[in-house]
Amino acid sequence: DGGITQSPKYLFRKEGQNVTLSCEQNLNHDAMYWYRQDPGQGLRLIYYSQIVNDFQKGDIAEGYSVSREKKESFPLTVTSAQKNPTAFYLCASSMGSSSSYEQYFGPGTRLTVT
Amino acid sequence: AQTVTQSQPEMSVQEAETVTLSCTYDTSESDYYLFWYKQPPSRQMILVIRQEAYKQQNATENRFSVNFQKAAKSFSLKISDSQLGDAAMYFCACLSYNTDKLIFGTGTRLQVFP
Repeated sequence: DGGITQSPKYLFRKEGQNVTLSCEQNLNHDAMYWYRQDPGQGLRLIYYSQIVNDFQKGDIAEGYSVSREKKESFPLTVTSAQKNPTAFYLCASSMGSSSSYEQYFGPGTRLTVT
Repeated sequence: AQTVTQSQPEMSVQEAETVTLSCTYDTSESDYYLFWYKQPPSRQMILVIRQEAYKQQNATENRFSVNFQKAAKSFSLKISDSQLGDAAMYFCACLSYNTDKLIFGTGTRLQVFP
């Protein structure tokens, strides 16, 4: 089955540690995205990538980093510089400008930093 | 900058009845898409319906339809014959062709009572 996988579903880290969230897709989509969701707020864009080896900052990129070495993979690193990293993180992908721009979402990772 | 506003934090509806969720948006772009996404308790984001801004005809998907008022920048979602499985958070979102960035509203929590 085609889709987007995110692992793990729940992640716990100590303050001051970097942590990497995994996102893999087998939909052959060109574009991939990372969002953060906090209670009472909508999804906010962290980073996005429209092609391999290229990515752009979203609205809340500070304290995060990404890489896009393969079309299928778009890992997100939450660094110790992120002031409030506890949140629900969603990865998405789309065919981009070649289609209807519909974004397909993964199941999400809940990160808790204490 | 694009903004999306959902002014109803919570709504409720009786099973089999009809409910309308409101959404207004602001964009300076002439080419854009509008979406409604559903997020059930599993937190998986699911596309409910999409509307291309250049199309005057309102989109429909089975029990879901929209009322798209381009001049008023309004994009409401109507759910007919509500079912218990419709209970979820609903997010309105706007995507510009130029930026390929999806901007979300803060969501409306829909409860469905038997």
